[in-house]
Amino acid sequence: DSGVTQTPKHLITATGQRVTLRCSPRSGDLSVYWYQQSLDQGLQFLIQYYNGEERAKGNILERFSAQQFPDLHSELNLSSLELGDSALYFCASSVGRGSLNTEAFFGQGTRLTVV
Amino acid sequence: GENVEQHPSTLSVQEGDSAVIKCTYSDSASNYFPWYKQELGKRPQLIIDIRSNVGEKKDQRIAVTLNKTAKHFSLHITETQPEDSAVYFCAAGDTGRRALTFGSGTRLQVQP
Repeated sequence: DSGVTQTPKHLITATGQRVTLRCSPRSGDLSVYWYQQSLDQGLQFLIQYYNGEERAKGNILERFSAQQFPDLHSELNLSSLELGDSALYFCASSVGRGSLNTEAFFGQGTRLTVV
Repeated sequence: GENVEQHPSTLSVQEGDSAVIKCTYSDSASNYFPWYKQELGKRPQLIIDIRSNVGEKKDQRIAVTLNKTAKHFSLHITETQPEDSAVYFCAAGDTGRRALTFGSGTRLQVQP
């Protein structure tokens, strides 16, 4: 168990709908990252938050948004879903800027299926 | 931004042989290079990492080498076992400042 918790584990929804994925980082970790992994593909960086503020954006669609709350948990919102959004969405956390302990721990992922 | 290229995309070896996976990165500011192993349907898990002030690091059958000048790093697995079969990802980052950029992954299959 990495200490990073993602809910739900599985999600099936229809095209055009909106879903929210939730991530609780390891205790004490300030940085949260979201990655998308499509079938048999690599890990595509979506967005990073550090202590509540957005730090970096990757290949995140405008239909997607995220935030990190004061308690450091994060939510990834996916709207106007399309079939191509079906993927495994991982959250990872690390201690963050200024620390040498930068190992990123991954949650078990949320498998999103859009039908 | 950072760009990480990883080769080969697939690698098949016989049990007991060695396996080598290579990655190159583009941003000279990157100073942290972890390797992750992902088994089917599971989360990526860190297996070894190296920082830019070190040229080589070993952990039992696994070793990683880093050439900062050439901007490449490699994963070496010796005496491979069937349980080493998985997808391996390299990554590059800047200590704590930005998210890791991952390579495209190498599917390693160890034939018994």
